[in-house]
Amino acid sequence: GEDVEQSLFLSVREGDSSVINCTYTDSSSTYLYWYKQEPGAGLQLLTYIFSNMDMKQDQRLTVLLNKKDKHLSLRIADTQTGDSAIYFCAERVYGGATNKLIFGTGTLLAVQP
Amino acid sequence: KAGVTQTPRYLIKTRGQQVTLSCSPISGHRSVSWYQQTPGQGLQFLFEYFSETQRNKGNFPGRFSGRQFSNSRSEMNVSTLELGDSALYLCASSIDYTYNEQFFGPGTRLTVL
Repeated sequence: GEDVEQSLFLSVREGDSSVINCTYTDSSSTYLYWYKQEPGAGLQLLTYIFSNMDMKQDQRLTVLLNKKDKHLSLRIADTQTGDSAIYFCAERVYGGATNKLIFGTGTLLAVQP
Repeated sequence: KAGVTQTPRYLIKTRGQQVTLSCSPISGHRSVSWYQQTPGQGLQFLFEYFSETQRNKGNFPGRFSGRQFSNSRSEMNVSTLELGDSALYLCASSIDYTYNEQFFGPGTRLTVL
């Protein structure tokens, strides 16, 4: 089946680290993504990880993938007020005639000054 | 390099009307996908086009259709609008359908009264 789940809300203080979690169900996923959506805007691609990797670091962002548990996380170091947004994880389901992103429900990150 | 552009940004229609939304992908990108975002259903895949051909389609009624032109620009059409079609419609482009990065436009906000 295709299902991606995230917690709905996370509140952190400025300067702390944020960890946003995601679980997915489709074992045929090839890539897993994190997108950021600010109010009234589209989706901004933050980072992605190939399904045979465990970790990827990109400046303040660290993605961890536990393929056995189908668990993905995004860690934002030194969280800033500008990081306040909704964060979506997505899995890419690709094969044959299928190529689409399955998105999670989104996690609202609120950064308190 | 210009990003993905979508026009119009906002639309208000009444039930029973039809609407056409436009998407211009990033220059050099030949694959365009469409997604619908609503508070209740989240982000759902509509369809994907590559080289003027629809490669795959999500689980939406036949009132939702699309096409792609030779310059890779894409349009989607919704006929006989219903209140439930009110949503943010997002377009994403990638170099081709095998490529792992998809970049999203700002979306078209459709309100059906």
